[in-house]
Amino acid sequence: NAGVTQTPKFRILKIGQSMTLQCAQDMNHNYMYWYRQDPGMGLKLIYYSVGAGITDKGEVPNGYNVSRSTTEDFPLRLELAAPSQTSVYFCASNPGQASYEQYFGPGTRLTVT
Amino acid sequence: GENVEQHPSTLSVQEGDSAVIKCTYSDSASNYFPWYKQELGKRPQLIIDIRSNVGEKKDQRIAVTLNKTAKHFSLHITETQPEDSAVYFCAASIRFGYNFNKFYFGSGTKLNVKP
Repeated sequence: NAGVTQTPKFRILKIGQSMTLQCAQDMNHNYMYWYRQDPGMGLKLIYYSVGAGITDKGEVPNGYNVSRSTTEDFPLRLELAAPSQTSVYFCASNPGQASYEQYFGPGTRLTVT
Repeated sequence: GENVEQHPSTLSVQEGDSAVIKCTYSDSASNYFPWYKQELGKRPQLIIDIRSNVGEKKDQRIAVTLNKTAKHFSLHITETQPEDSAVYFCAASIRFGYNFNKFYFGSGTKLNVKP
């Protein structure tokens, strides 16, 4: 298994541009999460999904959108990028049921200038 | 929502000494407490975790203790080595409907182990 994969690894955006961060997992996990990690800080939950077609907001959803059309994919969309969205973005998944462990992707480092 | 506080923000120890990192949480519904190690530019890596029905758990040089009454939990690393140098994060998780876990993270502790 590849686990949780994310693309791209790095991206520089100009203010006002849009982009989609890709996240995929091949472990058939129901639950997926998007976090952002600002420098020197912990992870903040942006959005999460409990299964295909079901998503909900986390702690810091403003400026982002998500979709979950399949179990495997959970893309994060940034519309009208702002410097405040400069961060490292991590996608994670969890099988649910009796398992609590999260599996993290390698992260996407995004700079908005 | 849940609020997790972590202390200290930086910790410097001599190789071979012990290191202790402490976290507090606010929501008594939290029932799972993982600890992550994050090296520079890497993803968080789970190193140990504890569930709310357990008071202590140990894995070689690493141990975690949980005090549910006081709502705090701690990471203990004994016989520290230079390769233990990293940022450590605690988290608290609340389980919602669908058996879904929502995680709240501390702000991290940068551990520096001096040779």
